[in-house]
Amino acid sequence: QKEVEQDPGPLSVPEGAIVSLNCTYSNSAFQYFMWYRQYSRKGPELLMYTYSSGNKEDGRFTAQVDKSSKYISLFIRDSQPSDSATYLCAMSEVYGGATNKLIFGTGTLLAVQP
Amino acid sequence: EAGVTQFPSHSVIEKGQTVTLRCDPISGHDNLYWYRRVMGKEIKFLLHFVKESKQDESGMPNNRFLAERTGGTYSTLKVQPAELEDSGVYFCASGRGSGSGNTIYFGEGSWLTVV
Repeated sequence: QKEVEQDPGPLSVPEGAIVSLNCTYSNSAFQYFMWYRQYSRKGPELLMYTYSSGNKEDGRFTAQVDKSSKYISLFIRDSQPSDSATYLCAMSEVYGGATNKLIFGTGTLLAVQP
Repeated sequence: EAGVTQFPSHSVIEKGQTVTLRCDPISGHDNLYWYRRVMGKEIKFLLHFVKESKQDESGMPNNRFLAERTGGTYSTLKVQPAELEDSGVYFCASGRGSGSGNTIYFGEGSWLTVV
């Protein structure tokens, strides 16, 4: 079983829709949860990170973490064609430790249709 | 501020040959990471440098892979001899502080094809 599970999609939505992206995980030691956006042939770009449980909002993006269910979500409001990309969840165990070893999901390919 | 730079961006080599990938981190970033994504799989951690020291190399797949960071600046990742299953994209990332929650910045990747 993979440590992090993510539906690869593709997910196609019309412009303006609310998008929900999700990951589940099995390692209860994960403390930091991140969402990366990756455009085609580019490197991952950090969108948001959350420590432990709760919500975090940044503009059109909201990240949610439910540690009791081992489930994280990213919501995109008023989606735009420019949001079309692969969205990767990533997690790590350690805070202030010696490494920043990230465990990634496989990524969800999102297409926002104009 | 220049981002993380990787070279070459694409490489096609024959099985058994050697390839060396280079990463120039963002200036002032002591932490440098290598990750890899092979076809159809998730991005996986390879190793982590703090300056010139290997902090964690638990993700290195086998002894055909050698990473160095002489002088604590740029890093190289050598694959020798390359095998078909080494094909994929190799990402380098760098960050100022260690530990989770500190932002790390990824390069655009070096795309390796072994034929």
